[in-house]
Formats: sequence, structure tokens, C-alpha cells
Amino acid sequence: AQSVAQPEDQVNVAEGNPLTVKCTYSVSGNPYLFWYVQYPNRGLQFLLKYITGDNLVKGSYGFEAEFNKSQTSFHLKKPSALVSDSALYFCAVSATSGTYKYIFGTGTRLKVLA
Amino acid sequence: GAGVSQTPSNKVTEKGKYVELRCDPISGHTALYWYRQSLGQGPEFLIYFQGTGAADDSGLPNDRFFAVRPEGSVSTLKIQRTERGDSAVYLCASSDSGRNTGELFFGEGSRLTVL
Repeated sequence: AQSVAQPEDQVNVAEGNPLTVKCTYSVSGNPYLFWYVQYPNRGLQFLLKYITGDNLVKGSYGFEAEFNKSQTSFHLKKPSALVSDSALYFCAVSATSGTYKYIFGTGTRLKVLA
Repeated sequence: GAGVSQTPSNKVTEKGKYVELRCDPISGHTALYWYRQSLGQGPEFLIYFQGTGAADDSGLPNDRFFAVRPEGSVSTLKIQRTERGDSAVYLCASSDSGRNTGELFFGEGSRLTVL
């Protein structure tokens, strides 16, 4: 069965420091991996995806993620955090090309401190 | 509008009542998804429409839940005999499945509270 794990409920980081939000997955076959962000009173917004190709994926707002097949991980990263990055981040996996029947993780709340 | 629109934004009802939640997707998007997000959890897939037909309804928790999309645009999620456990935020999303960009566009959700 497919699953996604986000082991940290909350991540705190100082503004200007690099940030990492962790995600591991379990899926049979080739994974399609995604990160979404949820700001208060806003809908989920797409950040980036990995389908195939280069293991380092660049997305919106300066975020990037690294696909690691051997560790079944897809950690979200940003070199320099901003206070405005504070939000709830969700990792998701789909095992089916062309559909968005995602399995979401439980979310990680990122708090960037000024 | 430019985005996915969901109404009502908030709905409070009593146990046993019937509820309808509406989703208006982005114009031209053929694929429409419903997810449910309970407190402290990630969204859970409910049902997916491609055009007017439900392509996959495997996430609907039981037969009290039903969704329609009669003209391939607006969709309505219907919940009969509501229970307190149905309380959650119901999210709708759409995509231009022809492009297969991997991006779903989500609405802000309808928060359902069953007393």
C-alpha cells in the first residue's frame, strides 16, 4: 500500500538559515512526488513535483526538493528561509500517471523566526 | 473567477441532516477531485471526475456520500444522515488533465461541522 510519512509535526528555523522539511514514501512502482503548501485561510498551493529525470527539482518561491530513491525520501529544502515561508507543508505521492489521486502526509508546520 | 470556488465556506448542521457542498472548478478544467481534511491530518481522496463521469469513487467512506457533476463543470458533494465524524474541511480541486502538469488547483474548502 502507498504511504507518505512526514516525521516532524513542526520545524522551527531562524530567518536566513537553510530549512529542510522531511518526507519519506512507500509505493510500488515509480513514484510521482509532490509538495504543497497551505497558508492560513488559503487553499493548498502547488510547490513542486518529481516525475522523472533530475533528482533535484526546483519549484516555486525558491524551494527545491531532492528525490532519493535508495532512501525513499523527497525532502523539501530552501537555502535561506523567510518569515513569509511560515505555513503548513504537505508531501504527497501518486502511483498513477495522469491522475492526482494523491496520498498526503500529515503535514509539517514550518515556523520561521525573525 | 480565476480560481476554484467552493460554497459554503462554513456549514454547521445537526446530526442526521442532509448537506450539499458545491464546487465550481477553473473554467476549462476537465478533471475534478474531492478530498476531505480532518483536523491535524492531510487531505484524503474521496472521488475523481473526468468530465461528467466519476472515474474513481473508491475514497467515498460509505453510501451516505455521493457526488455529481452533471454538466462536466460544477460538482456537488452530497452527504446524507450526517454524523459527527463527518466534521472536516472538504476540499475541491481541478486540473487541466490534458496538460498533465502534475498540479492540482485547490479551492479554500468548505468547513463542515456536525453537532
